[in-house]
Amino acid sequence: QSVLTQPPSASGTPGQRVTISCSGSYSNVGDNYVYWYQQLPGTAPKLLIYRNNERPSGVPDRFSGSKSGTSASLAISGLRSEDEADYYCSSWDDSLNGVVFGGGTKLTVL
Amino acid sequence: QVQLVESGGGLVKPGGSLKLSCAASGFTFSDHYMNWIRQAPGKGLEWISLISVSGTTIYYADSVKGRFTISRDNARNEVYLQMSSLRAEDTAVYYCARRDLAELARFGSWGQGTLVTVSS
Repeated sequence: QSVLTQPPSASGTPGQRVTISCSGSYSNVGDNYVYWYQQLPGTAPKLLIYRNNERPSGVPDRFSGSKSGTSASLAISGLRSEDEADYYCSSWDDSLNGVVFGGGTKLTVL
Repeated sequence: QVQLVESGGGLVKPGGSLKLSCAASGFTFSDHYMNWIRQAPGKGLEWISLISVSGTTIYYADSVKGRFTISRDNARNEVYLQMSSLRAEDTAVYYCARRDLAELARFGSWGQGTLVTVSS
């Protein structure tokens, strides 16, 4: 059971906009930044969003993040086949004194 | 460019020990906190441990506390994970990850991972 809650799956057709939610509590999402990682099949995770809504250089602006209270979300617009991957949210947890991850969301591009 | 290369994984019997290493290059290793994160087969990411730049601040996930020990050698640009009393549920790909700046959960660089299999 992950500390952060994500839907196990999401899907969309090319060009569509999809969102992935991440629910936590005050000790993690509510009081700390949220990060999103993309993991393509057979590869290491890659930082996609930092500080709730910032993109590292090289990440397309089709990817955006937001946070409100103890929930966060990742939005992907103009969906492309290469976006098919697993997506994880994470944050620091003040009570656990550690990093917590969501269980991951498998995105399928139909 | 930043490179993290894990090594030391393999097959070990339950109750056994194993030491993982992560060799860093392409950045000033002694400026960054380092972390170990694992992923069991077909499962999600699980943070395991972090170590501060000097090694004086160390945290562990409850699942490995008392069994795993993180350490680093800034002269060698390496971080280690000594694992003991291994269990079947420790079977996973183990990644080392560099923490960026002072952000507690920002991992901008990851290694390719090393597989640890705990089985009799």
